Amino acid sequence: AQSVTQLDSQVPVFEEAPVELRCNYSSSVSVYLFWYVQYPNQGLQLLLKYLSGSTLVKGINGFEAEFNKSQTSFHLRKPSVHISDTAEYFCAASPLKGAQKLVFGQGTRLTINP
Amino acid sequence: GAGVSQSPRYKVAKRGQDVALRCDPISGHVSLFWYQQALGQGPEFLTYFQNEAQLDKSGLPSDRFFAERPEGSVSTLKIQRTQQEDSAVYLCASSLDLTPGNTIYFGEGSWLTVV
Repeated sequence: AQSVTQLDSQVPVFEEAPVELRCNYSSSVSVYLFWYVQYPNQGLQLLLKYLSGSTLVKGINGFEAEFNKSQTSFHLRKPSVHISDTAEYFCAASPLKGAQKLVFGQGTRLTINP
Repeated sequence: GAGVSQSPRYKVAKRGQDVALRCDPISGHVSLFWYQQALGQGPEFLTYFQNEAQLDKSGLPSDRFFAERPEGSVSTLKIQRTQQEDSAVYLCASSLDLTPGNTIYFGEGSWLTVV
């Protein structure tokens, strides 16, 4: 079984500042890792995913994440945020083999202040 | 359509009523998933289908919850005798197939409030 922990429930930052949203996972098997964004009253949209290869993954809207196997982390970063990045961000994991079931973290609400 | 479509978007049900939530996946997607998202929480897995076969329903919280996908495309999640704890957003998602790592595309959700 897998579990995903997002260490911050809320992150306020100023516009154009850098941001890091933290995610740690626990699993008895190897996993794929994902970051999804949920804008108000909308569904989840995939930002990026780590399957294999380079541990630095680039996604949409200028986001990137780094897979760290030794620390079982998959933190999301953006060097300069915009007001439009205000949303809820979810980290998720699914096993490499077997059922394609996503296990989500609790979410981090990113608030951008002008 | 281009994305996963869900209806109704919003539903208010009186406690004890039955509700049915519909999901229209992306055309050609074999796999279909249902998730439940309580207020302030991350989505939690309910069940999934490959074509018309329901392969896993381990996440359904009780026998009041029932999902079907009779022709391998549209799916319906039915909740019988709704309770207040059923209030949540119900997210439907689809994927090309069950290959691990495939992108799962989510709909906008059906917001259920039980009063």
